[in-house]
Amino acid sequence: EDQVTQSPEALRLQEGESSSLNCSYTVSGLRGLFWYRQDPGKGPEFLFTLYSAGEEKEKERLKATLTKKESFLHITAPKPEDSATYLCAVQASGTYKYIFGTGTRLKVLA
Amino acid sequence: EAQVTQNPRYLITVTGKKLTVTCSQNMNHEYMSWYRQDPGLGLRQIYYSMNVEVTDKGDVPEGYKVSRKEKRNFPLILESPSPNQTSLYFCASSLSGLNYGYTFGSGTRLTVV
Repeated sequence: EDQVTQSPEALRLQEGESSSLNCSYTVSGLRGLFWYRQDPGKGPEFLFTLYSAGEEKEKERLKATLTKKESFLHITAPKPEDSATYLCAVQASGTYKYIFGTGTRLKVLA
Repeated sequence: EAQVTQNPRYLITVTGKKLTVTCSQNMNHEYMSWYRQDPGLGLRQIYYSMNVEVTDKGDVPEGYKVSRKEKRNFPLILESPSPNQTSLYFCASSLSGLNYGYTFGSGTRLTVV
């Protein structure tokens, strides 16, 4: 069964304290892995798509990487405005379905 | 502005009273989808549509109906809502159903009493 697991569930960081969020996946052939940011009361906002192991994408303080079993979202020198829930999703080959993880709630303290 | 518009944002209804949540996108996207988001369960796909008149079930389709008569619109219909359908609902669209990230609407918070 296709599955996505994110860890940790919640993370508190001091401003400037870098860290990584994990997304482990089990899927029968990966078509794409997606990262989203969700602020309270809002819809998720698309961040990155990764397609193959070894691929990396960057946006401001965020960097996403992909291996054959997991993806990491690295946050470098975070700021309070980076506080949000970060969601990971996968799409398997041969399907139009997306499977989301339950997310990591990130809180960055000033 | 490119966006996905859902209405209403908030809705309280009674068990069994049919309701429709509307979704419209202005980006000429082919792919549209409905999700529900519940604490501890994350986003779960209800239905999706690859193009006009082409729809398919997601992981939790029971109790829901959809239609895609026009490319821009993808309404979600609850024929006989029940309390276990109380949830936060999101509509999303994508240029194609393959490989592209979604643009999400702002959500509809539904309470069924």
